[in-house]
Amino acid sequence: DVKVTQSSRYLVKRTGEKVFLECVQDMDHENMFWYRQDPGLGLRLIYFSYDVKMKEKGDIPEGYSVSREKKERFSLILESASTNQTSMYLCASSLWSSGNTIYFGEGSWLTVV
Amino acid sequence: QQQVKQSPQSLIVQKGGIPIINCAYENTAFDYFPWYQQFPGKGPALLIAIRPDVSEKKEGRFTISFNKSAKQFSLHIMDSQPGDSATYFCAASRTGTASKLTFGTGTRLQVTL
Repeated sequence: DVKVTQSSRYLVKRTGEKVFLECVQDMDHENMFWYRQDPGLGLRLIYFSYDVKMKEKGDIPEGYSVSREKKERFSLILESASTNQTSMYLCASSLWSSGNTIYFGEGSWLTVV
Repeated sequence: QQQVKQSPQSLIVQKGGIPIINCAYENTAFDYFPWYQQFPGKGPALLIAIRPDVSEKKEGRFTISFNKSAKQFSLHIMDSQPGDSATYFCAASRTGTASKLTFGTGTRLQVTL
């Protein structure tokens, strides 16, 4: 059974803190993604990685960075958290080719106070 | 710029009814159109997908209708059940972009008894 695991389901952080969201997949997928989900806005792509140490900006990369040191692990980093980054963050993975199923984790709820 | 527009934002139907969710896209290069289903507290999961070489695809009670000339596609749920209550997202991607999907804003469906 395919698995994308987001280690932290619920986090509360203070404004200005550095935040790490971790994601691990066990399917040997090339692609990994970080999406942000907000009511009325759907899922918006923050960053995408198609290989180890490779990354590409999505639609809303400002205020975020990512790290992919190993194929199975993709981290989202908020260098200095702000209240407008309070949201649900979804990690996902897929095989390389367009049209392959994207598998999502269960999400990390981040509240910045 | 929102490339995939989804409507309605929410929908309530009685058990046995046929909810219809509509999406419209702008980018004519899109060639893969999946629908994702998300239950509360879970990540989205692939429900059904279509490519533009066919006008309709059925999987069980779920049907996608696709109109290439109008740049529209829709999800129909036949004989809807309370267990279908979830949020539904349409999405689109194009060949050469790995599996990067552009999502609609989501439709919250409630099926009542």
